[in-house]
Amino acid sequence: AQKITQTQPGMFVQEKEAVTLDCTYDTSDQSYGLFWYKQPSSGEMIFLIYQGSYDEQNATEGRYSLNFQKARKSANLVISASQLGDSAMYFCAMREGPALNTGTASKLTFGTGTRLQVTL
Amino acid sequence: EADIYQTPRYLVIGTGKKITLECSQTMGHDKMYWYQQDPGMELHLIHYSYGVNSTEKGDLSSESTVSRIRTEHFPLTLESARPSHTSQYLCASGTTGETQYFGPGTRLLVL
Repeated sequence: AQKITQTQPGMFVQEKEAVTLDCTYDTSDQSYGLFWYKQPSSGEMIFLIYQGSYDEQNATEGRYSLNFQKARKSANLVISASQLGDSAMYFCAMREGPALNTGTASKLTFGTGTRLQVTL
Repeated sequence: EADIYQTPRYLVIGTGKKITLECSQTMGHDKMYWYQQDPGMELHLIHYSYGVNSTEKGDLSSESTVSRIRTEHFPLTLESARPSHTSQYLCASGTTGETQYFGPGTRLLVL
């Protein structure tokens, strides 16, 4: 089974509207982390937002919010007031297990991404 | 936000050549990562390091090798490039908080 599933290959949204990008995950760990990254056509990966599995509040960062529904294993990204510059690929990623200290590193598993196009 | 640099940004090279992709970060992060990404596809981890003199293979098998002699530097080397190595290579670094910050990537084309 896929650990991270993004079912929307592409999405369109009109400028100034809100859009939700879906992400579901699969893990048996109690402690994990969920990330969203933006990848413009230039290729770099830009970190947007993080949600820990024990965080009780949904994460928010400016126009980005993460709709975390633990029982459904979903971590959807909501972008409010879309801008033309939001057009990009968006990737959901998961770190399984707790954030670890020095001496080891945790790996991220990425979804296949959703291409968002913001229109006038 | 991390300052992480990759050179070259673009590389076109012939089959059989040895190449080194450079990655440096100025944030003092102990953990560094290399991902491979084909156009429009997901990222696959190929190497990572949790500190100086540590290197580990990632989930995707790769013919490349890495080294970590200094905290800030994590180069990736291909001894003999092949067309199947054509891809984008993304370097990232992180702290104990585990958010990974990415460099701009190197787009490699092997002819």
